[in-house]
Amino acid sequence: KNQVEQSPQSLIILEGKNCTLQCNYTVSPFSNLRWYKQDTGRGPVSLTIMTFSENTKSNGRYTATLDADTKQSSLHITASQLSDSASYICVVSARFSGGYNKLIFGAGTRLAVHP
Amino acid sequence: NAGVTQTPKFRILKIGQSMTLQCTQDMNHNYMYWYRQDPGMGLKLIYYSVGAGITDKGEVPNGYNVSRSTTEDFPLRLELAAPSQTSVYFCASRQRDRSYEQYFGPGTRLTVT
Repeated sequence: KNQVEQSPQSLIILEGKNCTLQCNYTVSPFSNLRWYKQDTGRGPVSLTIMTFSENTKSNGRYTATLDADTKQSSLHITASQLSDSASYICVVSARFSGGYNKLIFGAGTRLAVHP
Repeated sequence: NAGVTQTPKFRILKIGQSMTLQCTQDMNHNYMYWYRQDPGMGLKLIYYSVGAGITDKGEVPNGYNVSRSTTEDFPLRLELAAPSQTSVYFCASRQRDRSYEQYFGPGTRLTVT
């Protein structure tokens, strides 16, 4: 069964600290993995997209890693800011014959950055 | 560009009522999607469209209908609303390219009582 599991469910850190969010998946056939940031009351916004051949990608203070062998990904946030408070969603895409892509969404990690 | 816009932002329906959730994108994207997001769960695909006049079911289509008469608009229709349809609904769109980048609207919070 195609699944995406994220940990922890929620996290509280102090402003300026670093943190790492985890994503484990059992999705086949794998196409790509994305991390989204979702602010409260808003739609998800893409942070990174990685294909099978990419094992790291950065977007400012956000760095995502991908280990396709162990089917794990992480999102590292450096020098956190209050504006980083949001839910972070891991999404894995499965690509089927005919070009159809199915997205499997994780439940998200809710991050709170406190001053 | 306004991106993906959704209306209304909030709505309360009584059981058995009907309504249409509106979604419009101004990026000339071919692909459009409707998702629902339930508390503590990942987004689930309701319906999608690969172009005007073409729609297909996602994972959880029961109780919903869609149409795609133009590239810009992709309304979601709820007939005979049920409490199980209480959720936050997101519309998304993307271009037909290899970036697979989806752009989401701000969502519609629907409560059925």
